[in-house]
Amino acid sequence: GQNIDQPTEMTATEGAIVQINCTYQTSGFNGLFWYQQHAGEAPTFLSYNVLDGLEEKGRFSSFLSRSKGYSYLLLKELQMKDSASYLCAATDSNYQLIWGAGTKLIIKP
Amino acid sequence: IAGITQAPTSQILAAGRRMTLRCTQDMRHNAMYWYRQDLGLGLRLIHYSNTAGTTGKGEVPDGYSVSRANTDDFPLTLASAVPSQTSVYFCASSTGTSNTGELFFGEGSRLTVL
Repeated sequence: GQNIDQPTEMTATEGAIVQINCTYQTSGFNGLFWYQQHAGEAPTFLSYNVLDGLEEKGRFSSFLSRSKGYSYLLLKELQMKDSASYLCAATDSNYQLIWGAGTKLIIKP
Repeated sequence: IAGITQAPTSQILAAGRRMTLRCTQDMRHNAMYWYRQDLGLGLRLIHYSNTAGTTGKGEVPDGYSVSRANTDDFPLTLASAVPSQTSVYFCASSTGTSNTGELFFGEGSRLTVL
């Protein structure tokens, strides 16, 4: 079956760096997304990777290794407003989007 | 402000009642989707529409129906609500239909079925 695995919850300190990992098992692969979702709000797009490597976008970076079925989201200079859930999702060979359950990130002062 | 509007924001409903969740977008996106989000689970696709006049079933379509009479509107109907349909429902849209582009989500509709 198809599956996305990511940690349920992580805690980090304001100003620090945190890496949220995501592993995927899909029938084929056509890209991986990261979304941010604050409590009680809609998910919002952060990044999309289809080729191996690191893509940097301000304080956020996303990495993909297709051979390992692995991605991570790196958040630098953490701010309290980064407290949210981070959703990983992969597109399979039929262009269906498979979602992980999300990682709740708690930022402490 | 361009985007997706969902209504109602929240609703408490008696089991057996019929309910329609409304979704309207003004971005002229071809593809629209309905997801449900439950604690501990990833977003699950209920129904989708790649263009006006066409719809398709997602991962969990039972008990739900949709229509796409025009580009902007994509209502989701629960014909006879059951408690297991208690969830947060998100409508989303995208320019393409291949799930390789950004999804734009509405603010969600929280539905409680008693």
